[in-house]
Amino acid sequence: NAGVTQTPKFQVLKTGQSMTLQCAQDMNHEYMSWYRQDPGMGLRLIHYSVGAGITDQGEVPNGYNVSRSTTEDFPLRLLSAAPSQTSVYFCASNRGRGQPQHFGDGTRLSIL
Amino acid sequence: EDKVVQSPLSLVVHEGDTVTLNCSYEVTNFRSLLWYKQEKKAPTFLFMLTSSGIEKKSGRLSSILDKKELFSILNITATQTGDSAVYLCAVVVGGSQGNLIFGKGTKLSVKP
Repeated sequence: NAGVTQTPKFQVLKTGQSMTLQCAQDMNHEYMSWYRQDPGMGLRLIHYSVGAGITDQGEVPNGYNVSRSTTEDFPLRLLSAAPSQTSVYFCASNRGRGQPQHFGDGTRLSIL
Repeated sequence: EDKVVQSPLSLVVHEGDTVTLNCSYEVTNFRSLLWYKQEKKAPTFLFMLTSSGIEKKSGRLSSILDKKELFSILNITATQTGDSAVYLCAVVVGGSQGNLIFGKGTKLSVKP
């Protein structure tokens, strides 16, 4: 019962580097989302997907790209890391529209 | 702009106390309201509320929604140290994803 698996758990980057945060779910959920969580800001939606091949922007999409080539995987790419992207990133999946989301354990990302 | 406001932002109680956490919202196209508990890592789902006045209950936790006054409360009776966590309220709004708008959370600390 893996649920939603995120890798890596921790990462330190230098400004300008690129990287991909991985997210995989084994529940056959159609919907997947990426959030960032910052102190005092709550969880904010970055990008989401309602099925393979379909993605859309959330509240704070700038500086991030996503793709959804399979139902299981939903990677988040940072194109050119900036210190403002230092945050904890959560991936989530849910069965359908409006259904409760299942979260991964998060990736703590620091950008120097 | 859609918004979800939780109060208080933090709360310290002693074991055995009863606490009430508040969540008010102003959103267009409300679908449902969700409560999550977040300890060290991933938020875990507690309740989903869609109808006014119907209490959801799980052990010592209960929650109710008032769609006329646009708020929900989460009650925890006979608190234990294991209840210490951040409690997140999220509102599902209409659209293709049924995106979640999160409040900033209430940090509950239960002292022995």
